[in-house]
Order: sequence, then structure tokens, then C-alpha cells
Amino acid sequence: GAVVSQHPSRVICKSGTSVKIECRSLDFQATTMFWYRQFPKQSLMLMATSNEGSKATYEQGVEKDKFLINHASLTLSTLTVTSAHPEDSSFYICSASSYRGDYGYTFGSGTRLTVV
Amino acid sequence: AQTVTQSQPEMSVQEAETVTLSCTYDTSENNYYLFWYKQPPSRQMILVIRQEAYKQQNATENRFSVNFQKAAKSFSLKISDSQLGDTAMYFCAFMKLTYNNNDMRFGAGTRLTVKP
Repeated sequence: GAVVSQHPSRVICKSGTSVKIECRSLDFQATTMFWYRQFPKQSLMLMATSNEGSKATYEQGVEKDKFLINHASLTLSTLTVTSAHPEDSSFYICSASSYRGDYGYTFGSGTRLTVV
Repeated sequence: AQTVTQSQPEMSVQEAETVTLSCTYDTSENNYYLFWYKQPPSRQMILVIRQEAYKQQNATENRFSVNFQKAAKSFSLKISDSQLGDTAMYFCAFMKLTYNNNDMRFGAGTRLTVKP
């Protein structure tokens, strides 16, 4: 089946530094990937839609300069949290559409970011 | 904008019993998909079941089935013969079908506990 690999699974960084999270589709090409954020005991909130070869589309209220998204190839999207602050601490999940005759979304295993 | 509502924050069921999780949604779209995802403590999102809006027949996957009422915009999940491994957060999700925007929106989730 379709597999999406997300790394790292956990990261702790100092306030003011930047962190990059990678999302790879391992056995299929994904022209579109999605980045979600999940606070403890809450739902997944869509942050942005990552389109291969073009600029990402951000949801209202998401700072594009803080959450940089790059989708340079059909199998890789990256989310960079720039100048991280403690309030950026959260669980970040990516997903990709593995359309093979029907619509299905495969999710990465998520990244727990802690900013200290 | 589409909204997804899960009115049951928490539910519990005895092992081997049946439980139904409710979900309603609001949309003006006619073509869309509905999903139920399971998120166990590992936080990996796992697809449970999917329903195409144009199909009148309710989707079933082994012990999981849905009651899709398009006119009422209702999409409940029934879990039969509940197992301890079914304990997880369950999210209802909506995805509209357009050429260039197939992002997925989630409800707030229902925490299901299966008791031995």
C-alpha cells in the first residue's frame, strides 16, 4: 500500500532556531501534500496545501513566513518552522493523496515538536 | 466552507458490543467524499472507512459500517463486535472534489474506549 514517511518523529529545539520536517511518499508520486497541526486532545487543523513545483497555499491565519513549505519533487515536501517559539510546540502531520482509482489519503506518522 | 461536527467527545463500549459514533457535516457541494479515521495512542492516522457521496449504498469494511444520510448530511460509524484494539480517537473527515483543491477537513474527534 501507499506509504508516507515523515521525519523526524520527535524534535526538541531552542527558541529562535529553525526546524525542518520532511514528508516523503515512498511508493507513489504526490503532486499535492498537506500539512496539519494537532494540539493535544484536539483535531487536525489544515495548515497548508503543498503543490509540487509551485507555491504552497496557506490556510487563513497561518503565517507563511513562519511555516515555510517546499515541494521540490513529486515525492518530497518539507515544512520549516522558522524562528521557533514555545507556542509553535505541537504535533505536525503530513498527508499525501495516493490516488489509484479512488481517493485515498495516506498520513505520515507525525512529528512532535517541542520548543524550549 | 465545509464544517464537520462530532457531537460526542467521548464514548465507551463493552468488548464485543456495538457502538455508533455520530458525525454531521455542512456543505453546499454535491460531489465529495467522507471518511472515518482512527488515531490510536501512536497518533498514526489510519483510514477506517470511506464513502463516496454519489453512492447511495452504505460502505462497509468488516466490523465497520456507516449510515450515510446525504439529505440529512449525516455520516455515522458503527463498530460491531468491539475489540480492545478499537480504543482510539476517531475523526470524521470531509473532502470535496474539485480539480485543484481536495484538502480534507476533520471533526473534533470522539475518544472511544473499549472496556474489557
